[in-house]
Amino acid sequence: DAGVIQSPRHEVTEMGQEVTLRCKPISGHDYLFWYRQTMMRGLELLIYFNNNVPIDDSGMPEDRFSAKMPNASFSTLKIQPSEPRDSAVYFCASSLGHGGQPQHFGDGTRLSIL
Amino acid sequence: DQQVKQNSPSLSVQEGRISILNCDYTNSMFDYFLWYKKYPAEGPTFLISISSIKDKNEDGRFTVFLNKSAKHLSLHIVPSQPGDSAVYFCAASRLRGGTSYGKLTFGQGTILTVHP
Repeated sequence: DAGVIQSPRHEVTEMGQEVTLRCKPISGHDYLFWYRQTMMRGLELLIYFNNNVPIDDSGMPEDRFSAKMPNASFSTLKIQPSEPRDSAVYFCASSLGHGGQPQHFGDGTRLSIL
Repeated sequence: DQQVKQNSPSLSVQEGRISILNCDYTNSMFDYFLWYKKYPAEGPTFLISISSIKDKNEDGRFTVFLNKSAKHLSLHIVPSQPGDSAVYFCAASRLRGGTSYGKLTFGQGTILTVHP
């Protein structure tokens, strides 16, 4: 069974550049989540989708961040323009929504903004 | 406001002994709790969960205990093995009511080291 697939695994770019992180959820899962992990704040939820519709984006830090889910098998998290403080590991997770099903995580994208 | 707290950043245990990882929460609306394990350079992996209608759930060497009155849960690993060495995250969510359905709030994690 393919798990959640994230790309790229590592991204190093200069401040001011646009960064796009990609995620393919587990087939059949109807919830998709984007998280950010930093030393200071731990694992924090940025945004989540249900059936491709954004439900809660209250964790998105600012307007430089945007996320889309054009179909059930693909999502992107975009940062434009990027800043050094955006450096973190970004995780995507998916779940089969209701009834307390656990979220399954990808292996993350380690983002470094110079 | 940290709603889920893991107050021990690290725990060291001898192989074969019991590991006990603790987690406290402040939001009484949380009704579903999970533990995740994370190895370096990998995503968190689901380990075990418990609903607020129970006070114990067991899966092999892993048992989670929930004390709702104290807003406390713990993960017991017996016997501990070197392969259990990882970061353990506690997470909580609301399954009933509100607009936060399905949203997980994570603790800061506890690094478990099991020595051979």
